[in-house]
Amino acid sequence: AQSVTQPDIHITVSEGASLELRCNYSYGATPYLFWYVQSPGQGLQLLLKYFSGDTLVQGIKGFEAEFKRSQSSFNLRKPSVHWSDAAEYFCAVGASEGGANNLFFGTGTRLTVIP
Amino acid sequence: EADIYQTPRYLVIGTGKKITLECSQTMGHDKMYWYQQDPGMELHLIHYSYGVNSTEKGDLSSESTVSRIRTEHFPLTLESARPSHTSQYLCASSEYRGFDEQFFGPGTRLTVL
Repeated sequence: AQSVTQPDIHITVSEGASLELRCNYSYGATPYLFWYVQSPGQGLQLLLKYFSGDTLVQGIKGFEAEFKRSQSSFNLRKPSVHWSDAAEYFCAVGASEGGANNLFFGTGTRLTVIP
Repeated sequence: EADIYQTPRYLVIGTGKKITLECSQTMGHDKMYWYQQDPGMELHLIHYSYGVNSTEKGDLSSESTVSRIRTEHFPLTLESARPSHTSQYLCASSEYRGFDEQFFGPGTRLTVL
């Protein structure tokens, strides 16, 4: 069965510092991987996705993620965090079950940015 | 910009009441979804639809029901609300092609007393 693990519940970084949010997945076939961000009181917004090809994926807002099949990981990175990046971040894997293509989400990582 | 709307944004209601959470999208997307989100937990898919007259149950069992009479509208109904239904409900939509980007509404935070 597919699953997504985000081991860090809450991360605090200083503005301008680099950021890495961890994501590990479990899925038997080729994974479709996503990172979404949720600001307070808002719905989720897609940051980036990986389907195939280059394992380093660029997204919006200066984020990137690297797919590492050997580690079953899809970590999200940003070289310099801005205060506006404070939000909750969700990793998800797309899985095909019974003909349905749906997403399975991790529990999220809450990012706090301090000045 | 994604146009997907949910009403109400917040709802506090007593046990036993019937409620309907509204979700509408103006993007012409065929596929729509309802997720349940609790603090510190995964988003769980409770219902989805491939298009008009299509409804499917997600991976999390739910006592709610959905309907899809129009492409743009995907309401969720609880016939008799209970405190265990207290949660945030997120609606989303996407093109009906593989794993296209899902666009999310702002959510409805439901509290059942």
